[in-house]
Amino acid sequence: SQTIHQWPATLVQPVGSPLSLECTVEGTSNPNLYWYRQAAGRGLQLLFYSVGIGQISSEVPQNLSASRPQDRQFILSSKKLLLSDSGFYLCAWSVQGDQPQHFGDGTRLSIL
Amino acid sequence: QKEVEQNSGPLSVPEGAIASLNCTYSDRGSQSFFWYRQYSGKSPELIMFIYSNGDKEDGRFTAQLNKASQYVSLLIRDSQPSDSATYLCAVTPTGGGNKLTFGTGTQLKVEL
Repeated sequence: SQTIHQWPATLVQPVGSPLSLECTVEGTSNPNLYWYRQAAGRGLQLLFYSVGIGQISSEVPQNLSASRPQDRQFILSSKKLLLSDSGFYLCAWSVQGDQPQHFGDGTRLSIL
Repeated sequence: QKEVEQNSGPLSVPEGAIASLNCTYSDRGSQSFFWYRQYSGKSPELIMFIYSNGDKEDGRFTAQLNKASQYVSLLIRDSQPSDSATYLCAVTPTGGGNKLTFGTGTQLKVEL
């Protein structure tokens, strides 16, 4: 069966510090991968998605970036965090095409 | 802009009753529809998906789709306190593809 791992579960970072969140998927090949952010009490905002190694689509212009160095690894990064980057970051995967997405446990990021 | 709309609630139902959650979408070309359950502080969990007009049943859950009227609903029979959560509706945009558009969710409270 397929599993998705996301870490860390919680993270507290100072403004201006860098960020790296990692997500890996097991039990499937060539998945679609997604990064979402959910602000407190708000809906899910799609940040990036990837349909293959090295292929990244950005949905929202901001100071975040994403990379997919391996088939089942998806990384979210920032060089300098802003207060507005606080939120619940979720990684998800799906089979290629018009299929359900499955979410990891998420990372709760607080910026001080 | 394509939108998915849900009443934020809270929707309160007594234990054992039927809970009815509704979602409307603006993209007439949407083809796939998903319901996720999100407990407070947790990541979304897929509970139902539906592609064709009509009803789809899975245990206590029934998804109903009406593409002509552009709405999709979720019925939960014999509601339990453990069903108390926020329910997110998600749809694929015209042409399908690799992205979902999420509603902001309806909070359901099942009362003893």
